[in-house]
Amino acid sequence: AQKITQTQPGMFVQEKEAVTLDCTYDTSDPSYGLFWYKQPSSGEMIFLIYQGSYDQQNATEGRYSLNFQKARKSANLVISASQLGDSAMYFCAMREGGNTPLVFGKGTRLSVIA
Amino acid sequence: DTGVSQNPRHKITKRGQNVTFRCDPISEHNRLYWYRQTLGQGPEFLTYFQNEAQLEKSRLLSDRFSAERPKGSFSTLEIQRTEQGDSAMYLCASSMGQGVNQPQHFGDGTRLSIL
Repeated sequence: AQKITQTQPGMFVQEKEAVTLDCTYDTSDPSYGLFWYKQPSSGEMIFLIYQGSYDQQNATEGRYSLNFQKARKSANLVISASQLGDSAMYFCAMREGGNTPLVFGKGTRLSVIA
Repeated sequence: DTGVSQNPRHKITKRGQNVTFRCDPISEHNRLYWYRQTLGQGPEFLTYFQNEAQLEKSRLLSDRFSAERPKGSFSTLEIQRTEQGDSAMYLCASSMGQGVNQPQHFGDGTRLSIL
């Protein structure tokens, strides 16, 4: 079974608009962390934002925020005021407590249109 | 503060040849990870080190693959007798500590193409 599911292979957004990238996860471990990474065409994986399973508030980092709905097991990334430089692949990943490797989804390709 | 460095960026080789990649993690990070990413997929875990000890290996890491981190600093990943299916991006990441909240910081990757 997929541990991380990203159902949107591709998304388009107009410059300066907000966009939500979906991520659902599957775990029975009460302690886990959820991460979002950005991968431009150059290939580097850039860490964007983190949400812990015990965090009471949704994480925010600049224009990035995480809509964490624990009961639904979803951790959607919201990018506000999209910029052309936001065009990239975006990956959701999970790390379960006591288990070190990150498990990634298949990613969503975001294209920002001028 | 330099990031994770990987060399080479690209490697093209003939099937059956051996290849070796190098990863230099962020200097104070004690954990180092190797992932493989094929086209259209997210990265998949291969193996990781805490200092010089290799603590976990994925079933993806066949006996043709070997990884080392001899002094707990840089790491090498060697693939022997390369096959077409080894063509992929090989990503290295490092982190400090073992908490579930520790992000892994990735290098630019090494893209391997098998002719």
